[in-house]
Amino acid sequence: AQTVTQSQPEMSVQEAETVTLSCTYDTSESDYYLFWYKQPPSRQMILVIRQEAYKQQNATENRFSVNFQKAAKSFSLKISDSQLGDAAMYFCAYRVRRDDKIIFGKGTRLHILP
Amino acid sequence: KAGVTQTPRYLIKTRGQQVTLSCSPISGHRSVSWYQQTPGQGLQFLFEYFSETQRNKGNFPGRFSGRQFSNSRSEMNVSTLELGDSALYLCASSLQTGRTGELFFGEGSRLTVL
Repeated sequence: AQTVTQSQPEMSVQEAETVTLSCTYDTSESDYYLFWYKQPPSRQMILVIRQEAYKQQNATENRFSVNFQKAAKSFSLKISDSQLGDAAMYFCAYRVRRDDKIIFGKGTRLHILP
Repeated sequence: KAGVTQTPRYLIKTRGQQVTLSCSPISGHRSVSWYQQTPGQGLQFLFEYFSETQRNKGNFPGRFSGRQFSNSRSEMNVSTLELGDSALYLCASSLQTGRTGELFFGEGSRLTVL
């Protein structure tokens, strides 16, 4: 079964500091996407970063970067220079390329401390 | 470009009633997926439609149904509502399967069942 596990229900980080959110997944597929989605208190889910499984290079989007370890089935998100606007629920998600179904983890609520 | 639009945003129903939720995808997107979000279960996949055909279905009872129209707009219906159906229902749209992999989410419809 395809599953996504986020072991940290809640985390806090000081503004301007760096924080890493953990995610592991289980799959027998070889061609898939991994995502981190952000859901601020206003609720609309937005994509933070995407990683294609066949790409070895870790994806980076400004202050957001991932550490993709395919063999270990690990996909962590690093947020550098944390800002108050980063406070949100973060969901790790997985999708097989041929399918539109996304499997989400339970989420990590991130608090930014001023 | 307009985003994914869901209506209504909030609604209150009583047990036994039925409800219909609507989703208008981003222009040009032909795939629409529905997710149920609850505090306990997180985000769970309901179903996915592409070109008016249901391609994928999650593990929900038959009381949950959906459809997609020729203009890609989608509706989901829940009949014989139960208290446990109270949730945020999210709709997401995407281009053809296998393209960018990204889903674009609406703000959701918050259903409360009394």
